[in-house]
Amino acid sequence: AQSVAQPEDQVNVAEGNPLTVKCTYSVSGNPYLFWYVQYPNRGLQFLLKYITGDNLVKGSYGFEAEFNKSQTSFHLKKPSALVSDSALYFCAVRRIYNFNKFYFGSGTKLNVKP
Amino acid sequence: GEEVAQTPKHLVRGEGQKAKLYCAPIKGHSYVFWYQQVLKNEFKFLISFQNENVFDETGMPKERFSAKCLPNSPCSLEIQATKLEDSAVYFCASSQSQQGGRETQYFGPGTRLLVL
Repeated sequence: AQSVAQPEDQVNVAEGNPLTVKCTYSVSGNPYLFWYVQYPNRGLQFLLKYITGDNLVKGSYGFEAEFNKSQTSFHLKKPSALVSDSALYFCAVRRIYNFNKFYFGSGTKLNVKP
Repeated sequence: GEEVAQTPKHLVRGEGQKAKLYCAPIKGHSYVFWYQQVLKNEFKFLISFQNENVFDETGMPKERFSAKCLPNSPCSLEIQATKLEDSAVYFCASSQSQQGGRETQYFGPGTRLLVL
């Protein structure tokens, strides 16, 4: 069975500090991995994805994520957090060659304090 | 259009009433997905379409839920005889093609359904 785990319900970080939002996955075969962000009362906005190639993926708004196959992880990172980064972050996985649905993590609320 | 559009933004129904939600995918996108976001932010996949054809309906509670994507019309998700547990935010997403699963799904703003 496919699954995604986001072990932290909430992450608190001070503005200007680096942030990490964790994601681990379990999928048969090779995965495609995605990060989305959800602002209050809004839909999901795509941040970045890992398909193949370089394990470090760069995305929107200065975010990046590192794919680690041995640890089955795809943690989201940003070197310097902004207050405006405060939102709900979702990791999603899709099986390679599965032309279909995402499996989402439960979401991590990021709070960036001034 | 460049964004997935969903209507209405909010919908309130009494238990047992019908609810109908609409989704206009991004122009040129062939795939449409419906997800239900319930308490604790959990996303549940409901159904997907390739153009007007059902692609995967394994997530649909078929006894009360139905969905369609007809040519030249918004896609729709209909719930007959709503129940309290149907209260959720329903998201529609579209993607241009599947490219073996690489393609990003773009999400609409959601319809918040409240069943009283």
